[in-house]
Amino acid sequence: DTAVSQTPKYLVTQMGNDKSIKCEQNLGHDTMYWYKQDSKKFLKIMFSYNNKELIINETVPNRFSPKSPDKAHLNLHINSLELGDSAVYFCASSPGTGNTEAFFGQGTRLTVV
Amino acid sequence: GQQLNQSPQSMFIQEGEDVSMNCTSSSIFNTWLWYKQDPGEGPVLLIALYKAGELTSNGRLTAQFGITRKDSFLNISASIPSDVGIYFCADAPAGGYNKLIFGAGTRLAVHP
Repeated sequence: DTAVSQTPKYLVTQMGNDKSIKCEQNLGHDTMYWYKQDSKKFLKIMFSYNNKELIINETVPNRFSPKSPDKAHLNLHINSLELGDSAVYFCASSPGTGNTEAFFGQGTRLTVV
Repeated sequence: GQQLNQSPQSMFIQEGEDVSMNCTSSSIFNTWLWYKQDPGEGPVLLIALYKAGELTSNGRLTAQFGITRKDSFLNISASIPSDVGIYFCADAPAGGYNKLIFGAGTRLAVHP
């Protein structure tokens, strides 16, 4: 069973479109994250949720709206996509309560054309 | 903001050689984590360190949490082709349990 699964794995879309990426974890973790990896492979946190509550928003444009319907799911919706949004987006989860050992999904490669 | 300085940026070695990479920070951290990322995959946790001075091994991997709590190293002994990938150090800032900061990564290539 996949611990952290995100869909889709690849997403190609035109500028201005709206798209969503879904993430689910079956580890029973309290904390979930979205990270962005750029073309130079630098990983930067975007959002952190703990038990469905937003904990961290790292100055991400408000075109990005995460939603956590329950603590096992954290979806990412992106409005009005721009060329600069092209990157690999990773969902991750960790136990929380002081344990930051994060488990990552396989990533979603977003290409905006 | 807090930054991790990871070096070297890349390494190209012969199979069987030992490898060493390290991370430093200007801030004190409570945790040092080392991840490996294979092409097309997400990062996978290799070793977690929680105490200053702690030395931990995982097979051919050995990592240490620096005494000053501002640095860590990862060693790989007797490298093999499947060690190829990007290795990242990561830290949780003191009190920042809901966030990991990553180094820029060390790209490792192993020549058979």
